[in-house]
Amino acid sequence: DADVTQTPRNRITKTGKRIMLECSQTKGHDRMYWYRQDPGLGLQLIYYSFDVKDINKGEISDGYSVSRQAQAKFSLSLESAIPNQTALYFCATSRGVETTDTQYFGPGTRLTVL
Amino acid sequence: TQLLEQSPQFLSIQEGENLTVYCNSSSVFSSLQWYRQEPGEGPVLLVTVVTGGEVKKLKRLTFQFGDARKDSSLHITAAQPGDTGLYLCAGDFYNTDKLIFGTGTRLQVFP
Repeated sequence: DADVTQTPRNRITKTGKRIMLECSQTKGHDRMYWYRQDPGLGLQLIYYSFDVKDINKGEISDGYSVSRQAQAKFSLSLESAIPNQTALYFCATSRGVETTDTQYFGPGTRLTVL
Repeated sequence: TQLLEQSPQFLSIQEGENLTVYCNSSSVFSSLQWYRQEPGEGPVLLVTVVTGGEVKKLKRLTFQFGDARKDSSLHITAAQPGDTGLYLCAGDFYNTDKLIFGTGTRLQVFP
């Protein structure tokens, strides 16, 4: 079984709808991250969490919110989706001892906002 | 704003050719990682370099960290179709708690 899972894998929604993307991990890591990937832009950090009580904004947090329900679960919400939020979204985890620790990525969620 | 520029953006080559991908920044990294991403999957770590001038090899892949810790390169010898994918560098800049990812190099190796 995969260590980092994301649901749903694909989602098509309409402008203005509220969307939640979920991430679960079985690696026992404290640190979790949400990234967005657009063609030609690499990965951009949306939010990151170093533990259940520590949540931080990344480079592009506007229009997004997160919830760290437990060590193993980190959800990303789009309160009112807009077309330019169409992208591939990745969740990642890391051990959290050093920044050089490996980040383990989920398989991604492809979101389309019409 | 700390940026990582990768070049080339796209690379299409025949099996057996050699290639080099570059990752550059105007800022100094404390460490740098290279990831490979295949279609439909998340990125997977290939290597981490920490020391300026460091060279690491992973089979046919050679990774180098610049002496000034502002750049890195990935060289693939005798590329194979299985090397096809998106290659991403990611830098850890001093005094930050997170990685900054580069723009990516999409490699296609034809049989």
